[in-house]
Amino acid sequence: KAGVTQTPRYLIKTRGQQVTLSCSPISGHRSVSWYQQTPGQGLQFLFEYFSETQRNKGNFPGRFSGRQFSNSRSEMNVSTLELGDSALYLCASSPGQGNMDAGNTIYFGEGSWLTVV
Amino acid sequence: QKEVEQDPGPLSVPEGAIVSLNCTYSNSAFQYFMWYRQYSRKGPELLMYTYSSGNKEDGRFTAQVDKSSKYISLFIRDSQPSDSATYLCAMRSGGYQKVTFGTGTKLQVIP
Repeated sequence: KAGVTQTPRYLIKTRGQQVTLSCSPISGHRSVSWYQQTPGQGLQFLFEYFSETQRNKGNFPGRFSGRQFSNSRSEMNVSTLELGDSALYLCASSPGQGNMDAGNTIYFGEGSWLTVV
Repeated sequence: QKEVEQDPGPLSVPEGAIVSLNCTYSNSAFQYFMWYRQYSRKGPELLMYTYSSGNKEDGRFTAQVDKSSKYISLFIRDSQPSDSATYLCAMRSGGYQKVTFGTGTKLQVIP
């Protein structure tokens, strides 16, 4: 069974630009969450999508947005990039419904390393 | 105060030692507890998942939850150099609320 796939793995952007990151969840999983990981703040929750609807949202500014497609694939977009947006962006997938057990927890991709210069 | 507190380390132990990693939390609504391992420049991978208080064992790993003290632990027996990584605790409340992570403890097992 293929895992969570994120593209691109590495990218460098200039301050003020925008970026779009892509995530393909595990087959059959309908929930996709996005996290930002930095050395100082650790893993911070951005948002979660389930069946194309945003179900949960973290405390990030409106420059961070996301969407989910009918095939459960998800994209996140960051507009007007700032230096502080440099981070590892992680996508996680889960079934998102059914019994709350070990199989219903989240599984991460390898992440997209974003550097803003 | 953060909802989940975790000592960042680094924690350095000799090969074969028993390692104890811990997290405390403040939100009494948390019911599901997870431990992830993250190697350098990789995504976190799920190690253990527990629900309710008590112990759960999986090979060399034991997860322990004490809800009355809001304290969770991960024990690694016979630690190996390949266990060198950052260990993240994570927890969520019922339903489909977001998962809250600790900041991670960096572990180094020295051969």
